[in-house]
Amino acid sequence: DGGITQSPKYLFRKEGQNVTLSCEQNLNHDAMYWYRQDPGQGLRLIYYSQIVNDFQKGDIAEGYSVSREKKESFPLTVTSAQKNPTAFYLCASTEGRQGAGEAFFGQGTRLTVV
Amino acid sequence: AQSVTQLGSHVSVSEGALVLLRCNYSSSVPPYLFWYVQYPNQGLQLLLKYTSAATLVKGINGFEAEFKKSETSFHLTKPSAHMSDAAEYFCAVSFYGNNRLAFGKGNQVVVIP
Repeated sequence: DGGITQSPKYLFRKEGQNVTLSCEQNLNHDAMYWYRQDPGQGLRLIYYSQIVNDFQKGDIAEGYSVSREKKESFPLTVTSAQKNPTAFYLCASTEGRQGAGEAFFGQGTRLTVV
Repeated sequence: AQSVTQLGSHVSVSEGALVLLRCNYSSSVPPYLFWYVQYPNQGLQLLLKYTSAATLVKGINGFEAEFKKSETSFHLTKPSAHMSDAAEYFCAVSFYGNNRLAFGKGNQVVVIP
């Protein structure tokens, strides 16, 4: 079945530690996205990539980094510079770059700072 | 800047009653509009979308929404609520040539037996 796989489902981070969230898609989609979800805040865009080896900052990119070396993979690193990383992180993809396409979402990763 | 407004973070509805979730957008160009549903600890699933064809759009699970340009609205309705409709609902907007989806803050729907 085609879809988006995020791993791990739950992740715990110690203060000052970098962690990487995995996102893989087998939909052959060009564009991929990372969103952060906090209660009552909706989804806020962290980074997005419309093509391999290219990505753009979203609205809340500070303290995060990404790479897009392969079409099917878009990992997100939460660095120690992100002061409040506890949140639910969602990865998504869309087929093209014209805006009308449905976004497909992974099941999310819940990150907690301990 | 383009944005989406959803009022009322929590919405309670009786089982069998009308579900109405309001969404208004602000934009200087024609939008594409979407409604997504999210169940606890899961990703989002598309309910329906408007992409400049028919203004009344029917989606899954008996939901529908009507695009009203004059009111810059895309409200979601379902005639009769079911217990399984309890979830969080998000309105989102994008535009031609720009895949960035802007989301509203969501409505948490509670269905009362």
